[in-house]
Amino acid sequence: KQEVTQIPAALSVPEGENLVLNCSFTDSAIYNLQWFRQDPGKGLTSLLLIQSSQREQTSGRLNASLDKSSGRSTLYIAASQPGDSATYLCAVNDNYGQNFVFGPGTRLSVLP
Amino acid sequence: DAGVIQSPRHEVTEMGQEVTLRCKPISGHDYLFWYRQTMMRGLELLIYFNNNVPIDDSGMPEDRFSAKMPNASFSTLKIQPSEPRDSAVYFCASSYIATDTQYFGPGTRLTVL
Repeated sequence: KQEVTQIPAALSVPEGENLVLNCSFTDSAIYNLQWFRQDPGKGLTSLLLIQSSQREQTSGRLNASLDKSSGRSTLYIAASQPGDSATYLCAVNDNYGQNFVFGPGTRLSVLP
Repeated sequence: DAGVIQSPRHEVTEMGQEVTLRCKPISGHDYLFWYRQTMMRGLELLIYFNNNVPIDDSGMPEDRFSAKMPNASFSTLKIQPSEPRDSAVYFCASSYIATDTQYFGPGTRLTVL
């Protein structure tokens, strides 16, 4: 059974810092991996989707990498801003694209 | 498009009552997902549909939960009878294909007293 973990559970940084969020999964036979953002009391917003054949994806200040063989993904946020404060979740689809498993999330606070 | 629409946004009910949550997916999306989020268990997939047909309901916790999708623009998640442990935020999401980006609704916060 696929299990997804995220470290750290919470992170507080001053504005302007670069930071890395980590996601690990137990079964490397995945179809793709997605990073989501969740603001308090809101739904999830997809940030980046990485296919199993890809190594990384970039969108603005965000860069996500994937090392399928080691079961790891990282989300790099450059020049963090207070508006980046939210919970970040990663989710994996299994090799058939039929099973969706989410990690518990990392709660990020960027202090002005 | 207005995005995924869920109603109600908040529901407070008493134990034993029937609860119906509603979802309107993004037009043109063939997949619809129901999730439950709690502090203890995080975000869990309950069931998903493809072209209105339930594909995998293995995440539905027990027979008290049922979901339907009578047409491409509407789905319901029903709990009957409700229990306090069902208190959670229930999300609906949709996508073009199963492996594509999922678009989430704002969620329904359910409190069962």
